[in-house]
Amino acid sequence: EAQVTQNPRYLITVTGKKLTVTCSQNMNHEYMSWYRQDPGLGLRQIYYSMNVEVTDKGDVPEGYKVSRKEKRNFPLILESPSPNQTSLYFCASSLWERHVSTDTQYFGPGTRLTVL
Amino acid sequence: EDKVVQSPLSLVVHEGDTVTLNCSYEVTNFRSLLWYKQEKKAPTFLFMLTSSGIEKKSGRLSSILDKKELFSILNITATQTGDSAVYLCAVINGDNYGQNFVFGPGTRLSVLP
Repeated sequence: EAQVTQNPRYLITVTGKKLTVTCSQNMNHEYMSWYRQDPGLGLRQIYYSMNVEVTDKGDVPEGYKVSRKEKRNFPLILESPSPNQTSLYFCASSLWERHVSTDTQYFGPGTRLTVL
Repeated sequence: EDKVVQSPLSLVVHEGDTVTLNCSYEVTNFRSLLWYKQEKKAPTFLFMLTSSGIEKKSGRLSSILDKKELFSILNITATQTGDSAVYLCAVINGDNYGQNFVFGPGTRLSVLP
């Protein structure tokens, strides 16, 4: 079954304690992306990656890091989480053909993060 | 700054009504516009629009893009309670070397029986 998985699904942590949210897809997609969703603000892209070792900043990259060492995995790293990073996080992936991210972007189930 | 604006932000209708959701955008390098439906989970893809004036249809849903006026509409006819959701509009912005997705805030549609 084609899917994007994220772990953990729920996380409560404290300010400053480094954490990683994993994302994995089984569709051999080149393009992967992380979003955060906050009430009234919609989905905002944090980072994206067009292929292995190719990453770029989205609209709200501050306080986050990513890596793309393998095609299937795209972890999101919060080196020193703060309360303003409390949010619902989605990972997504899609094909990247002829320099175009093609239609369907598959979303993971989401990770609800609370930073105290 | 790139932005996507949706209106209305919230809409309440009764079953059987027809609704039109609006999405306008200002981005530096437009590639495509997408519509998603989000219930209490991850967004699910509805349409991708790249060319002006070509309507895309799926059952009771349809959408069209106007690249001159920089907007798109999503129509839902004969609404059902199962259409209740947040509808998200997103624009793919960028060039061959980098493309990012810019989302609007969403329109929350509530369909009453």
